[in-house]
Amino acid sequence: DQQVKQNSPSLSVQEGRISILNCDYTNSMFDYFLWYKKYPAEGPTFLISISSIKDKNEDGRFTVFLNKSAKHLSLHIVPSQPGDSAVYFCAARAYGGSQGNLIFGKGTKLSVKP
Amino acid sequence: NAGVTQTPKFRVLKTGQSMTLLCAQDMNHEYMYWYRQDPGMGLRLIHYSVGEGTTAKGEVPDGYNVSRLKKQNFLLGLESAAPSQTSVYFCASSIQPRTQYFGPGTRLTVL
Repeated sequence: DQQVKQNSPSLSVQEGRISILNCDYTNSMFDYFLWYKKYPAEGPTFLISISSIKDKNEDGRFTVFLNKSAKHLSLHIVPSQPGDSAVYFCAARAYGGSQGNLIFGKGTKLSVKP
Repeated sequence: NAGVTQTPKFRVLKTGQSMTLLCAQDMNHEYMYWYRQDPGMGLRLIHYSVGEGTTAKGEVPDGYNVSRLKKQNFLLGLESAAPSQTSVYFCASSIQPRTQYFGPGTRLTVL
């Protein structure tokens, strides 16, 4: 039973346009959400996070939106660049859960075309 | 700061062999984690540690053991490797139970 779902395995976007990556979750006890970016043959790199008490967090070209009623979060990348091409993982932490353990989605592969 | 490092980067084992994967971090982080990633899957937690001398089971602990004798090191052991343990293993650490920082991974193949 997947608690964190990324329903789009892949996404292709033109350079300069907006990339929107989506993530749904089922557990209302999740209190903290993160996005990681992963290049081939490398470890995941932390990108941006959001607490459940907020609905938006921004860091440069990256913005994460959280809709708690819909149990949905999204990552916006504006403008998209070819270097953004990677696999993006959504992760969630359960409040009071086991010492900060994260539950990951399966990832979305983003391709940004020049 | 090297961050999180993992040794070795690659390894091929035969079924039944044993090995230890080493994770080291130089950020003085309390929390350390071991994950595995399989094709088409997200990262799944194997074991974790909330401080020196502590360990606990994650989502997929069977067939693995861990030890955290020193704060900066977290070892993952496979006592009798099986083909189902072919995977990419990632170690991570965090100063609080929130944002985790990952190592580069160890690619393990069990024949």
